[in-house]
Amino acid sequence: ELKVEQNPLFLSMQEGKNYTIYCNYSTTSDRLYWYRQDPGKSLESLFVLLSNGAVKQEGRLMASLDTKARLSTLHITAAVHDLSATYFCAVDPLGSQGNLIFGKGTKLSVKP
Amino acid sequence: DTAVSQTPKYLVTQMGNDKSIKCEQNLGHDTMYWYKQDSKKFLKIMFSYNNKELIINETVPNRFSPKSPDKAHLNLHINSLELGDSAVYFCASAWGRGYEQYFGPGTRLTVT
Repeated sequence: ELKVEQNPLFLSMQEGKNYTIYCNYSTTSDRLYWYRQDPGKSLESLFVLLSNGAVKQEGRLMASLDTKARLSTLHITAAVHDLSATYFCAVDPLGSQGNLIFGKGTKLSVKP
Repeated sequence: DTAVSQTPKYLVTQMGNDKSIKCEQNLGHDTMYWYKQDSKKFLKIMFSYNNKELIINETVPNRFSPKSPDKAHLNLHINSLELGDSAVYFCASAWGRGYEQYFGPGTRLTVT
């Protein structure tokens, strides 16, 4: 069974602190996506990681992909309240042709 | 302009009814998807549709059927609604399989 496991599932942070969300997956893939979802809203694409060693940064968020370890990380630097949301990683298994397998999501709460 | 739109945004109906959810994208994408997000926020692929080729997630009951009148539209028809069908349904589109997916705003379906 294909599995995509995120941890932690819940994360409460103080503003200004750093933290990392982990996404492990059990299948061969060279495509991984990170999405953000605010309560009651749609999914917003954050990062598309398409190869081993890919690293992308946008503002206070940085994502990386290690296809050999089947691991992606989403690192948060100097968290601010506006980053509070649920973050999902999604894996495109090799040969699946885009049928993404999502992790359960990490609900991030940044407190002042 | 909304890139991926869905109607209706909310849908409340009784068990046993048949209903449809509409999805339209104006991005010129070739591939469209339907996802289901349950009450625990878990996202699961239901269908993908590309150039009239339909890939169905094997766990989706055959009461669910996608219908695509043209490349810009992928509607979801549900027969004999059950309580367990209550969820948020998201439509998404992409340039092709394996490309970044853009999500619609979601349709919250409540079956009573």
